[in-house]
Amino acid sequence: GNSVTQMEGPVTLSEEAFLTINCTYTATGYPSLFWYVQYPGEGLQLLLKATKADDKGSNKGFEATYRKETTSFHLEKGSVQVSDSAVYFCALKGSGFGAGTRLTVKP
Amino acid sequence: GAVVSQHPSWVICKSGTSVKIECRSLDFQATTMFWYRQFPKQSLMLMATSNEGSKATYEQGVEKDKFLINHASLTLSTLTVTSAHPEDSSFYICSASRLAGVETQYFGPGTRLLVL
Repeated sequence: GNSVTQMEGPVTLSEEAFLTINCTYTATGYPSLFWYVQYPGEGLQLLLKATKADDKGSNKGFEATYRKETTSFHLEKGSVQVSDSAVYFCALKGSGFGAGTRLTVKP
Repeated sequence: GAVVSQHPSWVICKSGTSVKIECRSLDFQATTMFWYRQFPKQSLMLMATSNEGSKATYEQGVEKDKFLINHASLTLSTLTVTSAHPEDSSFYICSASRLAGVETQYFGPGTRLLVL
């Protein structure tokens, strides 16, 4: 069945460091892929999405490219801020979520 | 953006009682609603998928007689935790997918359940 595998955390970075959170998927066809973020004390929010192969989703400085060759959808940001501290979930449309990766950014 | 609400936001109950959690899509019609459970160390588990007017599809290992799901309309789904026990204490999250357009999931704020 469809599933995602996400890099487990926690991840601790200094402000302005480069971030990568790995996510790979197993799926039939090319279902939409998502990254969700959960800030402390809040519900899940959609961060970005890609609906087909080679699409790049972007939002708030975060990017992820839907790569069918490597079945990946890695989340990247060039310069993280303290306010990016949250839990990030990779997800496949209608089914699997990754286990979540807790990111802590220190000033 | 689309709004999904959950009620109650938190509930404390005695062991053996049943608890109902409502999930509503406030400004759109949802073809499908999903119920998740978030464990203390952050992993999010899909419990079941429900489509309006049909029986829910439960994930492996989730007891359908324990977690009753009703999707009565395109804007409302309910999760009833029957005969709750302390191990059912968790954070329950619902999400809803739009009827039309590019599908995505819109999440409710979650319901924290504590069973004493």
